[in-house]
Amino acid sequence: KQEVTQIPAALSVPEGENLVLNCSFTDSAIYNLQWFRQDPGKGLTSLLLIQSSQREQTSGRLNASLDKSSGRSTLYIAASQPGDSATYLCAVDSGNTPLVFGKGTRLSVIA
Amino acid sequence: EPEVTQTPSHQVTQMGQEVILRCVPISNHLYFYWYRQILGQKVEFLVSFYNNEISEKSEIFDDQFSVERPDGSNFTLKIRSTKLEDSAMYFCASSVRQGNIQYFGAGTRLSVL
Repeated sequence: KQEVTQIPAALSVPEGENLVLNCSFTDSAIYNLQWFRQDPGKGLTSLLLIQSSQREQTSGRLNASLDKSSGRSTLYIAASQPGDSATYLCAVDSGNTPLVFGKGTRLSVIA
Repeated sequence: EPEVTQTPSHQVTQMGQEVILRCVPISNHLYFYWYRQILGQKVEFLVSFYNNEISEKSEIFDDQFSVERPDGSNFTLKIRSTKLEDSAMYFCASSVRQGNIQYFGAGTRLSVL
């Protein structure tokens, strides 16, 4: 059974810092991995999707990497801004099964 | 930009009442999903739907739950007799096909009193 873990659970950084959020999964036989952003009391906004054959994906200041063999993904946020404050969720798609989510990392960027 | 829309945004109900949560998936998408998130916990899968039938469901999705696509645009989740522990945020999602990006709605917050 796939388990997804995200560390740290919470992170507070000053504005302008680069930061890395971590996601690990127990079963490396994945189809893709998706990173989401969730604002308090709101829905999930898809940020990046990495297919199992890819090593990384970039969108603006965000870069997500995937190392399937070690069961890890990272989300790198460059030059963080207060508007980046949110909870970031990692979710794994193992193909014929639904998305399995981590509990998320709550990010606070302090101005 | 196309989006998944969910109504209502907040539903308050008494224990034992039936509720219907509504979703309009993105129009060219073929796979539809319901997830829920109890406050402070992980987002959990409930059910997936394709070609007018359930393709997969979790152990959470018991006989009290049902899904329907009544008119080719709406996708509904019905809870027959709500319990206190059904209080959660319910998210609808859709994708073009399995393995593609799932797009999520803003959610319906269900409060069972």
